[in-house]
Amino acid sequence: GEDVEQSLFLSVREGDSSVINCTYTDSSSTYLYWYKQEPGAGLQLLTYIFSNMDMKQDQRLTVLLNKKDKHLSLRIADTQTGDSAIYFCASSGGSYIPTFGRGTSLIVHP
Amino acid sequence: NAGVTQTPKFQVLKTGQSMTLQCAQDMNHNSMYWYRQDPGMGLRLIYYSASEGTTDKGEVPNGYNVSRLNKREFSLRLESAAPSQTSVYFCASSGGGRQAWNGELFFGEGSRLTVL
Repeated sequence: GEDVEQSLFLSVREGDSSVINCTYTDSSSTYLYWYKQEPGAGLQLLTYIFSNMDMKQDQRLTVLLNKKDKHLSLRIADTQTGDSAIYFCASSGGSYIPTFGRGTSLIVHP
Repeated sequence: NAGVTQTPKFQVLKTGQSMTLQCAQDMNHNSMYWYRQDPGMGLRLIYYSASEGTTDKGEVPNGYNVSRLNKREFSLRLESAAPSQTSVYFCASSGGGRQAWNGELFFGEGSRLTVL
């Protein structure tokens, strides 16, 4: 079945850029997502990209999609302590139900 | 607008006890889901309901049952709880079933279950 892989931890300094990477296996993925989970809360959609796009920018967030390599990244510019959270990559392939990665814990140091 | 509401938020059970987690959404969504989240394991789909009246198994259905009571409500039942079912459970919903415009899932805040 579909598999989504991402590293488990990322530590950055406040003001730096953060880049979270993800790989997926289903070449038929239609949408690719980034969800954010703050402590003690459920997941919220942060941004998504349609599979025919290479890049999407939304304020401090940049999503890059390399469809050939099945690689997705999320860049957060000027990372703030409030960005500390778990970030989940997810893809939806033939099924409309997204498959989630294990989540990357982003730790932002002052 | 409450979104997705789960109850209870916290529960402690003894091995062998049963309980039901309740979930309700007020967004008129067709599809509803139950996930469990364990450290280092991400989210794993337990059961889902594509539309009212249908339910299907996800990745880890063993030990669970579900009921789609109506369009708003989707409950998850543990008939005989085991320590391996200690987890955080999330209910989610999404809009248009297979024609969802982007497939976004809306999540509840989670139910933290401990089985002793």
